[in-house]
Amino acid sequence: SQQGEEDPQALSIQEGENATMNCSYKTSINNLQWYRQNSGRGLVHLILIRSNEREKHSGRLRVTLDTSKKSSSLLITASRAADTASYFCATGPPRGSARQLTFGSGTQLTVLP
Amino acid sequence: DARVTQTPRHKVTEMGQEVTMRCQPILGHNTVFWYRQTMMQGLELLAYFRNRAPLDDSGMPKDRFSAEMPDATLATLKIQPSEPRDSAVYFCASGSASTGVLDSPLHFGNGTRLTVT
Repeated sequence: SQQGEEDPQALSIQEGENATMNCSYKTSINNLQWYRQNSGRGLVHLILIRSNEREKHSGRLRVTLDTSKKSSSLLITASRAADTASYFCATGPPRGSARQLTFGSGTQLTVLP
Repeated sequence: DARVTQTPRHKVTEMGQEVTMRCQPILGHNTVFWYRQTMMQGLELLAYFRNRAPLDDSGMPKDRFSAEMPDATLATLKIQPSEPRDSAVYFCASGSASTGVLDSPLHFGNGTRLTVT
């Protein structure tokens, strides 16, 4: 079963608006990663946040992590049409765990010009 | 710019035929993953190698699927015999795992789109 689950499944916004996607997971993690996938392409890593971090920024991306709620959010500010893609969270298991990096089902983001 | 290379990009085959998908991981990466992506199931982990040794292939149907890493520059995923339900996009990804923890980003290839008729 998938560890991370994104919410919403689909999101449509106007260019310039902010987009927020959420990820919930069930078990303990070492880190949580966000990836982006354009149509017909492989996933591209966006940002990694470790379990002892609460917030991380990279350009127009802001990721938060709340380990007490087992949830993370990805905020894309000032969205552009080129941000249209699917966004996935993936949870990195703790040391010694038999689990591997598992992905959620993704949020399909459409940014309208 | 280092990248994971997968071949072929597309494969159409008839049910019962053998399919071999190849992956060249990024030089220096010690972990290789095979994922399958479908609309219904999303991204499913099929197999995981570290330092060329298979560590986890529990997600793979063993009767027809096999994954190997004959050397550090090549990972293969074979399906024999193929079935229509195997139609999907198969992704290879490589990364670095230090002290047994995958704590760095995975780099994905662009996938092999397999259609079994």
